[in-house]
Amino acid sequence: SYVLTQPPSVSVAPGQTARITCGGNSIGSKSVHWYQQKPGQAPVLVVYDDSDRPSGIPKRFSGSNSGSTATLTINRVEGGDEADYYCQVWESSSDQGVFGGGTKLTVL
Amino acid sequence: EVQLVESGGGLVQPGRSLRLSCTGSGFTFGDYAMSWVRQAPGKGLEWIGFIRSKAYGGTREYAASVKGRFTISRDDSENIAYLRMNRLKTEDTAVYYCTRDRLQAFEIWGQGTVVTVSS
Repeated sequence: SYVLTQPPSVSVAPGQTARITCGGNSIGSKSVHWYQQKPGQAPVLVVYDDSDRPSGIPKRFSGSNSGSTATLTINRVEGGDEADYYCQVWESSSDQGVFGGGTKLTVL
Repeated sequence: EVQLVESGGGLVQPGRSLRLSCTGSGFTFGDYAMSWVRQAPGKGLEWIGFIRSKAYGGTREYAASVKGRFTISRDDSENIAYLRMNRLKTEDTAVYYCTRDRLQAFEIWGQGTVVTVSS
């Protein structure tokens, strides 16, 4: 089965840029989606199809995907961005959804 | 407002069954595939299965961890998706979310319902 690898944690100071990676075999050939989950809340889609944002998601959130790594970038990080972030792809060969293990973003 | 509301969670003994419901509102329910995703306490997200819209055959796919025990169905006339869980195990303890799918992303999420499997 397809495996997505994320760092367990990322820390960043307010106002700086956070980059959260998601590694997978030839992930650049897949569409990658990113979710934000705050404590006690349901996940929220923040980036879909590698780099598109749903309505209502700030432009500070962006994504890229190439080769074996996809990246979620959060510019001008705010305290309210502190959350767990998950990447996700669809494994077409088996018609399965696959999540990364999640990354806890801490705002220092 | 587009909304999904899960219900039916609770405490159940190992080996027993439970059926969860997911009621949609604010959109044409039958036009969308619907997935179920769960999250064990302190753990990450796990996709467990989905059902396509009738336009795409209404067929279903499941994760290996639940295949043969869990069944997803839908009633588009009532705007409800169901997750029937049989032969429950302690490791099925989790918050269960339903999602509205769009282009293989989980676009809209419900608030979740808690399932605890314990004797």
